[in-house]
Amino acid sequence: GQQVMQIPQYQHVQEGEDFTTYCNSSTTLSNIQWYKQRPGGHPVFLIQLVKSGEVKKQKRLTFQFGEAKKNSSLHITATQTTDVGTYFCAGITNAGKSTFGDGTTLTVKP
Amino acid sequence: EPEVTQTPSHQVTQMGQEVILRCVPISNHLYFYWYRQILGQKVEFLVSFYNNEISEKSEIFDDQFSVERPDGSNFTLKIRSTKLEDSAMYFCASSVQANSYNEQFFGPGTRLTVL
Repeated sequence: GQQVMQIPQYQHVQEGEDFTTYCNSSTTLSNIQWYKQRPGGHPVFLIQLVKSGEVKKQKRLTFQFGEAKKNSSLHITATQTTDVGTYFCAGITNAGKSTFGDGTTLTVKP
Repeated sequence: EPEVTQTPSHQVTQMGQEVILRCVPISNHLYFYWYRQILGQKVEFLVSFYNNEISEKSEIFDDQFSVERPDGSNFTLKIRSTKLEDSAMYFCASSVQANSYNEQFFGPGTRLTVL
């Protein structure tokens, strides 16, 4: 079955440093979604990427979808303490089946 | 802002007992999902549901699991005979559609503890 791998598993940064998490799928994806989960919370949708090579920005967050639609990345510029949490990518099939990556847990030291 | 709700927030049960986890999706959404997350691990897809039938299910979703939309608002997950390894947070989610744009809205989750 489809596997979605995400690295790194953990990232500790100083406030103001940049952060990147990478997502790789074993199969070509229809689209990919990114979620953020705060400690003790539920996943919250951040963005969906559909097109090959797509790049989307949300303030300090930049999301990329690879040309082959098998990999994606999330980059946060100048992290803030409010960015802490676990970031998951999820590969989605057309029937709505989601395969989540293992997540990258970000901690930010003030 | 509309949101997905789930009850109960925490369910404690004995091994072998049946549990029903309840969800009220966002009212105009058509696709419904159940996920589970074992403490400290990733979110795992269980099942997607559309038009009163299962669209997709994972290997985890075996004969012990079933889903139902008994009325126009509730979406339930039943585990017939719980095992210790079923202890996890169970999230319900809903979306308008599954294809071109399917932002999934997650509920707050039900923490299931099997003793």
